[in-house]
Amino acid sequence: ETGVTQTPRHLVMGMTNKKSLKCEQHLGHNAMYWYKQSAKKPLELMFVYNFKEQTENNSVPSRFSPECPNSSHLFLHLHTLQPEDSALYLCASSQGFGTSGSLAKNIQYFGAGTRLSVL
Amino acid sequence: AQKITQTQPGMFVQEKEAVTLDCTYDTSDPSYGLFWYKQPSSGEMIFLIYQGSYDQQNATEGRYSLNFQKARKSANLVISASQLGDSAMYFCAMRYSSASKIIFGSGTRLSIRP
Repeated sequence: ETGVTQTPRHLVMGMTNKKSLKCEQHLGHNAMYWYKQSAKKPLELMFVYNFKEQTENNSVPSRFSPECPNSSHLFLHLHTLQPEDSALYLCASSQGFGTSGSLAKNIQYFGAGTRLSVL
Repeated sequence: AQKITQTQPGMFVQEKEAVTLDCTYDTSDPSYGLFWYKQPSSGEMIFLIYQGSYDQQNATEGRYSLNFQKARKSANLVISASQLGDSAMYFCAMRYSSASKIIFGSGTRLSIRP
C-alpha cells in the first residue's frame, strides 16, 4: 500500500451534487492536511487536523466541509460547488505538527490527488 | 514577510546532464526547514529532500542534493545525471518554526530531452 491514498482519483459533479473525497494514511502520522491546487496558482492550504482536531481553516467557503474521524482518515465533503472549485485536491500527512520539536517531523507526504471537475 | 521564490518557470535539460533548480527564501526566523517536492503529470507530490537551517552539511538523497547557502538564503536542488523520468514540476517549500504551515514556491517545470 502507498503511504497516503486518495479516492476517487477523478470526480465530475454538477453544482447541485453532494460528494465526498476520502484520504487515508498508513504512515502512523498525527497530522493531516487538505490542499487545493488550481491551474497557474500556488498550492493553497485549506484545512489542517492534528490528532483529529482541526487546527487551521484558511477561510475556506462552507461548501467545503472537512471531517477527521481518526488520525488515519480525512474526508472532504462537497456540496453546491461552483465551476471555479474545479482543481486538483491533495491530501497530505505528517508525523508532527506545530512549532515544537524537529522541523523534519513536519515533512508532509502527499497522496496522488483527486482531480475534480464541477460542471 | 516569509516568502519562497522560484525564478525559473521552465527548464529544458539534456538527458544525463546535471541540473540545478533555483530557490530563494526570505525569513527572519533563525529556525526553519526547507523541502523539495516533485510533481509528475499524474499529480502526486513526491517528497525529495529536506534541509534544516541548523544542519551543518548539505542534504543528499541519491541523485538529489541540496545546495544550501544560508547567507544568501538559497536552497537550490541539484539533480545529477538527469533521466527522462525526472520531467515534472518541482516545488521548493519552507516551514519556519514560529509558523504552523509550509509555504510553497510557484514551481519549476523541468523537461528532460532524450
